[in-house]
Amino acid sequence: GAGVSQTPSNKVTEKGKYVELRCDPISGHTALYWYRQSLGQGPEFLIYFQGTGAADDSGLPNDRFFAVRPEGSVSTLKIQRTERGDSAVYLCASSRDTTYEQYFGPGTRLTVT
Amino acid sequence: QKEVEQNSGPLSVPEGAIASLNCTYSDRGSQSFFWYRQYSGKSPELIMSIYSNGDKEDGRFTAQLNKASQYVSLLIRDSQPSDSATYLCAVERGGATNKLIFGTGTLLAVQP
Repeated sequence: GAGVSQTPSNKVTEKGKYVELRCDPISGHTALYWYRQSLGQGPEFLIYFQGTGAADDSGLPNDRFFAVRPEGSVSTLKIQRTERGDSAVYLCASSRDTTYEQYFGPGTRLTVT
Repeated sequence: QKEVEQNSGPLSVPEGAIASLNCTYSDRGSQSFFWYRQYSGKSPELIMSIYSNGDKEDGRFTAQLNKASQYVSLLIRDSQPSDSATYLCAVERGGATNKLIFGTGTLLAVQP
């Protein structure tokens, strides 16, 4: 079946602009996670949703970052007033339940110039 | 001390040999452990999960868990050049949350 999909695959934006990154989880997966990966590092947790609600947003670095999942399926990660330090690969993962394995999408490479 | 530690490598093994990748973690409450493979420029791909002490085998891969020593390992038998990638160890944070904490990964190079 179809895996996790993310759009866009690449995003280049200027410092100070607003960006939205989209994630479409595996069909039937109730849990959705966002991670961020910088070069040479492992993925770093940002936020996870169980259904429509953000069950844990402790990894969001500051209030410029926000994520929604209004219908319990597709999620959007929103970054306001982007900074060059936000440049990274943003990964989305989903799992059938919070106790199951997490499967990653292809990621969105964000570059802030 | 990092929560999840891995040797960054590179670990170089000849084709056909056994590659041994190691990981230690600090949170004694952790219950779930995962190995992901990540090719350069690609996203992490789940290859093994392990939840109980002991060994778990899947094809050429064996995951080993020792909770008392807070140690997880991955053995790759009959290593192939196509196994060359970064291997990420991930530990589910103990308690109510289920976020994954990743190590920085070990780069494996299988020499033909």
